Amino acid sequence: AQTVTQSQPEMSVQEAETVTLSCTYDTSESDYYLFWYKQPPSRQMILVIRQEAYKQQNATENRFSVNFQKAAKSFSLKISDSQLGDAAMYFCAYTNNAGGTSYGKLTFGQGTILTVHP
Amino acid sequence: SAVISQKPSRDICQRGTSLTIQCQVDSQVTMMFWYRQQPGQSLTLIATANQGSEATYESGFVIDKFPISRPNLTFSTLTVSNMSPEDSSIYLCSGTGAAHNEQFFGPGTRLTVL
Repeated sequence: AQTVTQSQPEMSVQEAETVTLSCTYDTSESDYYLFWYKQPPSRQMILVIRQEAYKQQNATENRFSVNFQKAAKSFSLKISDSQLGDAAMYFCAYTNNAGGTSYGKLTFGQGTILTVHP
Repeated sequence: SAVISQKPSRDICQRGTSLTIQCQVDSQVTMMFWYRQQPGQSLTLIATANQGSEATYESGFVIDKFPISRPNLTFSTLTVSNMSPEDSSIYLCSGTGAAHNEQFFGPGTRLTVL
């Protein structure tokens, strides 16, 4: 079974600074996607960024970028120029893209609460 | 992208009663799922809602407790049956597009059982 681990229950950052959230995962599959979701107090799950396992290039979305290390099964999120609106719970998630009974299902990490200080 | 709505957004229920949560998507999605998020915790998959057939449940979740329907490609319901305080959670539905590499979530239903 796939597992996703976020070892940082809480992180904090000063506004305009950079912060990195860590995520490791375990899978025997070679074809999968990894995601970072943001959940603010409104509860809405917002997709921040996704990475396809077959792509070596790290995904980037504006101020958000990932460091995908497939061999190490590591998938960290870097937030640059942090803003007050970035404060939320961040979840790392995995989904199998190879078919079978787990196809499409998301496995989530424990989450990291990010606080942004003005 | 798909927009997903849920009703109700929150409810307070008495022990032993049941609550049905509705999930509506504004466009067709290939797969629909129901997740539970216990207070301060991560999301756990309850089941896959299959169109026109019985849902597929994850380990630890059973149909008698969480009956699910999906009569068409854009609508699903989850019932939390015979509720106890341990069922107090946020329940979220989600859907995937044809590519399966993006999953959209509803805003969640916050359930409190007294």
